[in-house]
Amino acid sequence: EVQLVQSGAEVKKPGESLKISCKGSGYSFTSYWIGWVRQMPGKGLEWMGIIYPGDSDTRYSPSFQGQVTISADKSISTAYLQWSSLKASDTAMYYCARRRDGYNWVDYWGQGTLVTVSS
Amino acid sequence: QSALTQPASVSGSPGQSITISCTGTSSDVGGYNYVSWYQQHPGKAPKLMIYDVSNRPSGVSNRFSGSKSGNTASLTISGLQAEDEADYYCSSYTSSSTLEVFGGGTKLTVL
Repeated sequence: EVQLVQSGAEVKKPGESLKISCKGSGYSFTSYWIGWVRQMPGKGLEWMGIIYPGDSDTRYSPSFQGQVTISADKSISTAYLQWSSLKASDTAMYYCARRRDGYNWVDYWGQGTLVTVSS
Repeated sequence: QSALTQPASVSGSPGQSITISCTGTSSDVGGYNYVSWYQQHPGKAPKLMIYDVSNRPSGVSNRFSGSKSGNTASLTISGLQAEDEADYYCSSYTSSSTLEVFGGGTKLTVL
């Protein structure tokens, strides 16, 4: 069974750093893209970026380029989303999402990680 | 502002059919058959309902169907059920980015 299991909810202060994770299981982790999707409170879905763990090819949405870092450790089938300095506007639910190479849709989603940034 | 335009809300009674539209441009919806639709219940992760305009993943009810005409894609739900009440998002490949674009989402209310 394919599963994407994300790390738990986080409460942080502005300026702090954070790294959240998404562990894949039940499939070949290196053969699918893993992306991150932001959903701000009461708002829609936004692609942040995506990584292909097989060769670490990483692409970012222009809105998020330079704001976050996406990485993956294929030895433990885990993808990461990282901030060096959080802002209150980073408060959102973050989903990891699996996409097959050459396809344009997400077939599996993680359960989401709620990040709250507040002083 | 989202790249794809969806109505903010639609509603229908149990047993009826509803259609949700998703309007883009020739650079996304109109130019490629790569439109997908996702259902999201409150507090839950999205779920793929339609891919490549009109294909249903295994396990998705055949009450859900997709189509496209020009720059507008549509999701139709027939025989509305209470469990269909959710937010629905369209998504499309776009030539202007390596990542797909989403619509702003449509809240479906089953009366």
